[in-house]
Amino acid sequence: QSALTQPASVSGSPGQSITISCTGTSSDVGNYNLVSWYQHHPGKAPKLMIYEVTNRPSGVPDRFSGSKSGNTASLIIFGLQPEDEADYYCSSYTTMSTQVFGGGTKLTVL
Amino acid sequence: VELVESGGGLVQPGGSLRLSCAASGFTFTRDWMSWVRQAPGKGLEWVANVKQDGSQKYYADSVKGRFTISRDNAKNSLYLQMISLRGEDTAVYYCARDGLAAALTDWGRGTLVTVAS
Repeated sequence: QSALTQPASVSGSPGQSITISCTGTSSDVGNYNLVSWYQHHPGKAPKLMIYEVTNRPSGVPDRFSGSKSGNTASLIIFGLQPEDEADYYCSSYTTMSTQVFGGGTKLTVL
Repeated sequence: VELVESGGGLVQPGGSLRLSCAASGFTFTRDWMSWVRQAPGKGLEWVANVKQDGSQKYYADSVKGRFTISRDNAKNSLYLQMISLRGEDTAVYYCARDGLAAALTDWGRGTLVTVAS
């Protein structure tokens, strides 16, 4: 159950777009379209932003988008806003019927 | 939807603790439920989940054999029994609802468990 691999940090200016990658294996990301993305502001409860690779729960702005190719999933945020600054985590269902998270990416809005 | 964790605190290495999560605002019996933790300065780590009727349970390798997840559908409550606690179990423990295809749709605010002598 090794954690999925995410970049430790990314940054962008307001209005720009950024991409956060999430690399797993054929036992998790590559085997299922069950990748989720969470936004976490320290001290608060994490928030689901994307599920099943590309779907947005009600209330999540359409600036947030997800995709997947092979063993790597990606979260794209278009038109960065200051309130997007947070930690972002991917997760995937696995062949062991468990879930695994990525190590997390700190997004800084410059 | 509201998920409220309780039961955290300071415990010595080797000790035990039982966490609870009170759920409201949704039909508790319809969803899998999970525990996720975050150690200080670290990322999120999935801990365990349990099926709607409690018949299936899965655990992270790091807690297998030491932690037991359970639920009481009559009380809309989720539990995590932790034994043989270690320093590396120190974390904020979150209760979460598996509301959508292996996605955690709702989370509590967490309860802090500190394992130290």
